[in-house]
Amino acid sequence: EAGVTQSPTHLIKTRGQQATLRCSPISGHTSVYWYQQALGLGLQFLLWYDEGEERNRGNFPPRFSGRQFPNYSSELNVNALELEDSALYLCASSPLQDSPLHFGNGTRLTVT
Amino acid sequence: SQQGEEDPQALSIQEGENATMNCSYKTSINNLQWYRQNSGRGLVHLILIRSNEREKHSGRLRVTLDTSKKSSSLLITASRAADTASYFCATRPSGSARQLTFGSGTQLTVLP
Repeated sequence: EAGVTQSPTHLIKTRGQQATLRCSPISGHTSVYWYQQALGLGLQFLLWYDEGEERNRGNFPPRFSGRQFPNYSSELNVNALELEDSALYLCASSPLQDSPLHFGNGTRLTVT
Repeated sequence: SQQGEEDPQALSIQEGENATMNCSYKTSINNLQWYRQNSGRGLVHLILIRSNEREKHSGRLRVTLDTSKKSSSLLITASRAADTASYFCATRPSGSARQLTFGSGTQLTVLP
């Protein structure tokens, strides 16, 4: 069974630009979660998608947005990048709400 | 916001010793989960304990849950150098659909 895949693995952008991060969940998993992990810190919840709908979002500004496609893959967009957006962005999927999460290895976003 | 807080933030032990990490949380929960993260990579699920359970075992892992104190502990017995990683607790709040909220993590170093 293929795990959660994220692309790209690394992304370097300049302040003010836009970044697009992609995630493919495990086959059969309908829920996708996005978390931000700044260097040396814990995970901050960003967005949760299930069956194509946004179910909940964390305490982040509107320039963080995303969507889930009919095949359950997901995209995270960050507009007007700021230096503090530099972090590891982790995507996770699960088959049911109460199930454990399966994580990808993340996209390392660096904003210069 | 962080629901769970791990203690200690960092722990260094010798191979063969036991490692104990603690987690405290604030709201009522459906379940509590522990995850492991090797440096710069995705998280791996270790164990899930439901709110009506008090103790659970998986190999060298033992998790306890005290809902009256809103706390949990993770014990790793007979630690190995390969156990070196960050360990996070995550809580699934009870009530309406909610995402997992992660603590800030404990960095465990096992010295050979």
